[in-house]
Amino acid sequence: DAGVTQSPTHLIKTRGQQVTLRCSPKSGHDTVSWYQQALGQGPQFIFQYYEEEERQRGNFPDRFSGHQFPNYSSELNVNALLLGDSALYLCASSLDYMRWEQYFGPGTRLTVT
Amino acid sequence: AQKITQTQPGMFVQEKEAVTLDCTYDTSDPSYGLFWYKQPSSGEMIFLIYQGSYDQQNATEGRYSLNFQKARKSANLVISASQLGDSAMYFCAMREVNQAGTALIFGKGTTLSVSS
Repeated sequence: DAGVTQSPTHLIKTRGQQVTLRCSPKSGHDTVSWYQQALGQGPQFIFQYYEEEERQRGNFPDRFSGHQFPNYSSELNVNALLLGDSALYLCASSLDYMRWEQYFGPGTRLTVT
Repeated sequence: AQKITQTQPGMFVQEKEAVTLDCTYDTSDPSYGLFWYKQPSSGEMIFLIYQGSYDQQNATEGRYSLNFQKARKSANLVISASQLGDSAMYFCAMREVNQAGTALIFGKGTTLSVSS
């Protein structure tokens, strides 16, 4: 049973560029959440997707957007990258949006230069 | 607003000793959940233990136990018989309860170093 997978593992981008990160949830899970973890900090909630809709959003600007596909996989898009967007981006999945059990993927480390 | 505070940036313990990692929280919701996650250097967040606000007994999972003191708003993690593989970052988190979903709010973490 595959767990949560994320791609790519590492990514280097230049300021002003756009990036897309991908997440496949654990088998049977239909809810995906995204978190940003800056170096030395705890993860911060970006948004959560369920039934292809954004259900909940944290305190992040509109440059951060997402999408969920019919197979429950998800993408996180960040436009107009800033140096401060450099972080580990974690994806978590759960059985449905009210379940407390969230299983995390290994993350994508984004470096913005 | 809900908040998690972890005041210990780093903790050091020897193998086979017990260690307590501190966590205090702030919320006005009567219903909430508290979590501890372990994050090794690989980056993946590993779920360790969960405590619901209405649970009467402290949660335990193998060598992990959660010392839940509701009146003091604390949810400390106790690791018994530490092992070298326990060296990692540990995060306390709280589930934000609302109809929209289940976001987790994390503390800043505590780095645990276990020596032989």
